[in-house]
Amino acid sequence: KAGVTQTPRYLIKTRGQQVTLSCSPISGHRSVSWYQQTPGQGLQFLFEYFSETQRNKGNFPGRFSGRQFSNSRSEMNVSTLELGDSALYLCASSLWGDAYEQYFGPGTRLTVT
Amino acid sequence: GENVEQHPSTLSVQEGDSAVIKCTYSDSASNYFPWYKQELGKGPQLIIDIRSNVGEKKDQRIAVTLNKTAKHFSLHITETQPEDSAVYFCAASNGGGADGLTFGKGTHLIIQP
Repeated sequence: KAGVTQTPRYLIKTRGQQVTLSCSPISGHRSVSWYQQTPGQGLQFLFEYFSETQRNKGNFPGRFSGRQFSNSRSEMNVSTLELGDSALYLCASSLWGDAYEQYFGPGTRLTVT
Repeated sequence: GENVEQHPSTLSVQEGDSAVIKCTYSDSASNYFPWYKQELGKGPQLIIDIRSNVGEKKDQRIAVTLNKTAKHFSLHITETQPEDSAVYFCAASNGGGADGLTFGKGTHLIIQP
């Protein structure tokens, strides 16, 4: 079974721009969670989607948003990029729509200049 | 919210020796404790997990123990091999909610030949 895929793998954006990242979960998984990974803050929960509904959100500003499609694929969007948004953005999918057994993709490395 | 502390931040062991990584958590409602291994350029890989109704779980050379009273859990790797070199993260969650995983800061495990 194919794992979680994320596109693109690398992005370079300029401060003030917006960016959209994509995630395709493991086939059959209905839950997708997003995490931000930085050297200083580590891995931090952004939000989780289950059956196209955002169920919870971590402590991030409203510039961070996401959505999930009927095929469970998910996108996250960051508007008005700041230098501090430079990070590895990881997507994880799970079968039952909770934190149990989350499987991560390779991540999208975003650099904001 | 949940807070997870992980020690040590770096661990160097001789090939063939055992390695132990320890984590403590703060939220007594947490009931799910996974461990992830992250290699350079890759996303975190789920290697073992434990739920609060179990005190110990083993999978070949890897074992996890949980002490709910003391709110700590540990990862044990026996007969370490060069391919065990990576960053290991512990995490905690109350599972049924959609609060995501709260991660420790990670342990860089170095296997010396």
